[in-house]
Amino acid sequence: DTGVSQDPRHKITKRGQNVTFRCDPISEHNRLYWYRQTLGQGPEFLTYFQNEAQLEKSRLLSDRFSAERPKGSFSTLEIQRTEQGDSAMYLCASSLGETGGEREAFFGQGTRLTVV
Amino acid sequence: AQSVTQPDIHITVSEGASLELRCNYSYGATPYLFWYVQSPGQGLQLLLKYFSGDTLVQGIKGFEAEFKRSQSSFNLRKPSVHWSDAAEYFCAVGARFGNDMRFGAGTRLTVKP
Repeated sequence: DTGVSQDPRHKITKRGQNVTFRCDPISEHNRLYWYRQTLGQGPEFLTYFQNEAQLEKSRLLSDRFSAERPKGSFSTLEIQRTEQGDSAMYLCASSLGETGGEREAFFGQGTRLTVV
Repeated sequence: AQSVTQPDIHITVSEGASLELRCNYSYGATPYLFWYVQSPGQGLQLLLKYFSGDTLVQGIKGFEAEFKRSQSSFNLRKPSVHWSDAAEYFCAVGARFGNDMRFGAGTRLTVKP
């Protein structure tokens, strides 16, 4: 499978615990995005990488959230001291950015987080 | 600020009937507009996009959308719906893919046999 893959698909955690999600983008894609989707809503932008550089972070990304993309390949999103309000689907997408325009962003199947 | 409104939370149509899903946007410049589809437990798949040029855009799976600047709309249409089209549909607006893209709340489509 050459699409965007996310792991795990589902995560249940107790409030206050830390969780980490992984995203493997399409191999030649240099841009990687994280979105959060709550029930009944569309995806909301969290953060964006070009290669290994994190270029933008939404105000939704509180200091409990951190994302990395070492070596410009896979990315991890960590949530520390989880709260019930963090329960959501976390979506990763990647695209091949190029000068003069961007190609389609491909989404992974998401990681569904439930904080109990 | 840019925003997207999808007025219909849930639509039910009969298989074989025509479909139109509404999308209204607010954007300060010339927008890039997108329609995505999301099946249960799946990620988002791009149906079609509008950047410039012909305002009637053809997409995958027989979908099309028309950009109407005067109405700030980008409605999605399909002449004959199939049962496999049942899913959640999201309209999005932005200057480019990714960090500047805003999604609507989505319209859930149910297809009756």
